[in-house]
Amino acid sequence: EIVLTQSPGTLSLSPGERATLSCRASQSVSSSYLAWYQQKPGQAPRLLIYGASSRATGIPDRFSGSGSGTDFTLTISRLEPEDFAVYYCQQYGNSPQYTFGQGTKLAIK
Amino acid sequence: EVQLVESGGGLVQTGGSLRLSCAASGFTFSNYWIHWVRQTPGKGLVWVSRINTDGSSTDYVDSVKGRFTISRDNAKNTLYLQMNSLRAEDTAVYYCARDGYNNTRYGPDYYYAMDVWGLGTTVTVSS
Repeated sequence: EIVLTQSPGTLSLSPGERATLSCRASQSVSSSYLAWYQQKPGQAPRLLIYGASSRATGIPDRFSGSGSGTDFTLTISRLEPEDFAVYYCQQYGNSPQYTFGQGTKLAIK
Repeated sequence: EVQLVESGGGLVQTGGSLRLSCAASGFTFSNYWIHWVRQTPGKGLVWVSRINTDGSSTDYVDSVKGRFTISRDNAKNTLYLQMNSLRAEDTAVYYCARDGYNNTRYGPDYYYAMDVWGLGTTVTVSS
């Protein structure tokens, strides 16, 4: 089973700043199968990025994804107040198995 | 509006059974793979199961194999999860979620990611 480790656990930033979230896999992941989600309290997760770098429908272009192999990054170029939430990465692998990272909380500084 | 709505959650005793439903609307349900994903405060998001478009192929996480069964009724636009031999560790919010895809001239190019989610239904397993 591929384990995804997200860092940092909590990231404290101010609106307007740039956020960089990391997702590291225990084994190589196909870029086609790496996704990022945003979740706010009391809500379901929302797909932001699939295929490591493709934005889902309706996602603002301040969200971008990059990476390959075992290291992937979600970048939010200029934080808006509504961006403060928990972010998860997810991969699809053989078996088939889908696994999620443990999440990064993006908090207002 | 594209929507998934779960129902059927509740409180059940250890060893008991429960059937969750997920009603789809606003899209052609029969064209999409659908998942069940659960979430607990302690273990975060965990993928549970997936079913293909016509129900002929199903997959499960190891911890529920032999206990849970995913199925679908495309005529009713509804997904199901039959949960038997429930354990305390099955306590969670259960979401159904659609696997997204892009149409290409070669056929659907699946995201292998969940682009539409329901609001979730809570399952509590207690002795």
